[in-house]
Amino acid sequence: EAQVTQNPRYLITVTGKKLTVTCSQNMNHEYMSWYRQDPGLGLRQIYYSMNVEVTDKGDVPEGYKVSRKEKRNFPLILESPSPNQTSLYFCASSSLSSGGSTYFGPGTRLTVT
Amino acid sequence: AQTVTQSQPEMSVQEAETVTLSCTYDTSESNYYLFWYKQPPSRQMILVIRQEAYKQQNATENRFSVNFQKAAKSFSLKISDSQLGDTAMYFCAFMNHYGGATNKLIFGTGTLLAVQP
Repeated sequence: EAQVTQNPRYLITVTGKKLTVTCSQNMNHEYMSWYRQDPGLGLRQIYYSMNVEVTDKGDVPEGYKVSRKEKRNFPLILESPSPNQTSLYFCASSSLSSGGSTYFGPGTRLTVT
Repeated sequence: AQTVTQSQPEMSVQEAETVTLSCTYDTSESNYYLFWYKQPPSRQMILVIRQEAYKQQNATENRFSVNFQKAAKSFSLKISDSQLGDTAMYFCAFMNHYGGATNKLIFGTGTLLAVQP
């Protein structure tokens, strides 16, 4: 089954404790992105990657890091989480040939206290 | 910069009736994609329908159809024969067609649709 997976689905942590949210897709997509969803703001892109070892900032990159060492994986790293990073996070992937159709993971609910 | 506006934060419809969700966008580009995504209580983002800007024909997917007015920069979603399972947040989204750029989606703030039995 074609899918995007994320782990963990729920995470509660404390300020300053480094964490990683994993993302993997099995569709051989070139593009992968991370979005955060906040009430009243819709979804906003954090980082994106156009292929292995090619990443760039989206609209809200501050406080986040990413890497793309393999085509299928695109982890999101919060080196020193803060309460304003409490949000719902989505990983997404798409293909150059998919006509823009983007597939989302199930989401990770992160709470930073 | 491109923007997407959904002016209806919440809507309600009776089961089996038809409802239309509004979306407007702003861009100076001529080639782009538009989407409607559904987010049910499970929070999963589900692609409902997709429209390519260079196609004049409105996209249709079963009970879902769009009214794409390129000159007016309007992209509304019509849901026919509404079902209880249609209850969800609906997001309108825009993507530039650069043929190799970011594939970045720009989302509206969403419309929460409640289908009443």
